[in-house]
Amino acid sequence: AQKITQTQPGMFVQEKEAVTLDCTYDTSDPSYGLFWYKQPSSGEMIFLIYQGSYDQQNATEGRYSLNFQKARKSANLVISASQLGDSAMYFCAMREVTGGFKTIFGAGTRLFVKA
Amino acid sequence: GAVVSQHPSRVICKSGTSVKIECRSLDFQATTMFWYRQFPKKSLMLMATSNEGSKATYEQGVEKDKFLINHASLTLSTLTVTSAHPEDSSFYICSARSQGGEVPGGNGYTFGSGTRLTVV
Repeated sequence: AQKITQTQPGMFVQEKEAVTLDCTYDTSDPSYGLFWYKQPSSGEMIFLIYQGSYDQQNATEGRYSLNFQKARKSANLVISASQLGDSAMYFCAMREVTGGFKTIFGAGTRLFVKA
Repeated sequence: GAVVSQHPSRVICKSGTSVKIECRSLDFQATTMFWYRQFPKKSLMLMATSNEGSKATYEQGVEKDKFLINHASLTLSTLTVTSAHPEDSSFYICSARSQGGEVPGGNGYTFGSGTRLTVV
């Protein structure tokens, strides 16, 4: 069965430092996609980065990179050079190709960036 | 980039009344839209998947008679919370997937800004 786990309910990071948000998943579908979203206090969901299960290289988008370890079924998000505006809730999500493209989300990690 | 407009952003209604939430894709056609509910301090829960021109597929445990979903066109899906009660108070978010599957900025998915429903 599909499952997404984010074990860190809250994280603190000093401004300008890097931080890693953990995400593990479980699926029997060989073809799937992994996503990270940011949800600021305003509530809007903002797409950050995507990794396909067959992608050979780890995805990167600006300051965001996804550390994809397929054998371990982990898809950690790395944010480099943290900024105060990065303080938000971060959700890891997975979409199975054969699952009708619905997406399931992890419980989320609250990131606090300290000045 | 792709934009999904969700309206209203906030709504307060009396217990027993119905509330309609709209989700519109502004610059692309969305064959599939998803409705999520976010409980306080908890993750997003997928409520249902709606496909244009057909009945919505509800997730287990979601009352389809209470949460009516209509996807009458390729740019509009609506969620109606019928006979709302205080326990229905929540944050509801829609997302849309384009017909081609790939739109700028989201790898096929774009989220609305959410609707905060408060039932008093």
